[in-house]
Amino acid sequence: ETGVTQSPTHLIKTRGQQVTLRCSSQSGHNTVSWYQQALGQGPQFIFQYYREEENGRGNFPPRFSGLQFPNYSSELNVNALELDDSALYLCASSPDTRVSRYNEQFFGPGTRLTVL
Amino acid sequence: DQQVKQNSPSLSVQEGRISILNCDYTNSMFDYFLWYKKYPAEGPTFLISISSIKDKNEDGRFTVFLNKSAKHLSLHIVPSQPGDSAVYFCAAGTGGYQKVTFGIGTKLQVIP
Repeated sequence: ETGVTQSPTHLIKTRGQQVTLRCSSQSGHNTVSWYQQALGQGPQFIFQYYREEENGRGNFPPRFSGLQFPNYSSELNVNALELDDSALYLCASSPDTRVSRYNEQFFGPGTRLTVL
Repeated sequence: DQQVKQNSPSLSVQEGRISILNCDYTNSMFDYFLWYKKYPAEGPTFLISISSIKDKNEDGRFTVFLNKSAKHLSLHIVPSQPGDSAVYFCAAGTGGYQKVTFGIGTKLQVIP
């Protein structure tokens, strides 16, 4: 069973640029959530996708957007990058959220984004 | 507004002794709580969870206690092992989807 994978591992961008981060969910999981973890902080919920539709969103501006594909892999897109966007971006997948709200989430290793 | 608070940034415990990690929350709508462990360069790994209708859940060496009236939960690790050294995140969820709110973490060091 393949776990959650994320690409790339590290990324350096400059302010104003756009970035796309990718996530492959664990086999059999149809729900993907994205989190931003700034240095010294806990992960902060960005949004969740369930069966290709956004299923909830945290307090992030619209320049943070996402997609989920039919194979349940996902992308996080960030436009007009700001210095404060520098963080570890974590993707987490879980089984059908409608079956149980208490399902644990399986996290990938994250993508470290640095904005200069 | 920090809805999930872990007030101890770090904790050192001798191997074999009990580790107690604490967590407070402010949102009474949270209806389930989780603990995650994170090693450097890895994503968080689920440890144990508890529903708000329970006050205790046990899984091997790990026990989570929930005190709803105090809006407090704790994770007990007995006995502590050097491999338990990691950052532990307390998290809480609510609603029909898994919007999970994390604390800032507590770094546990188990000394051999």
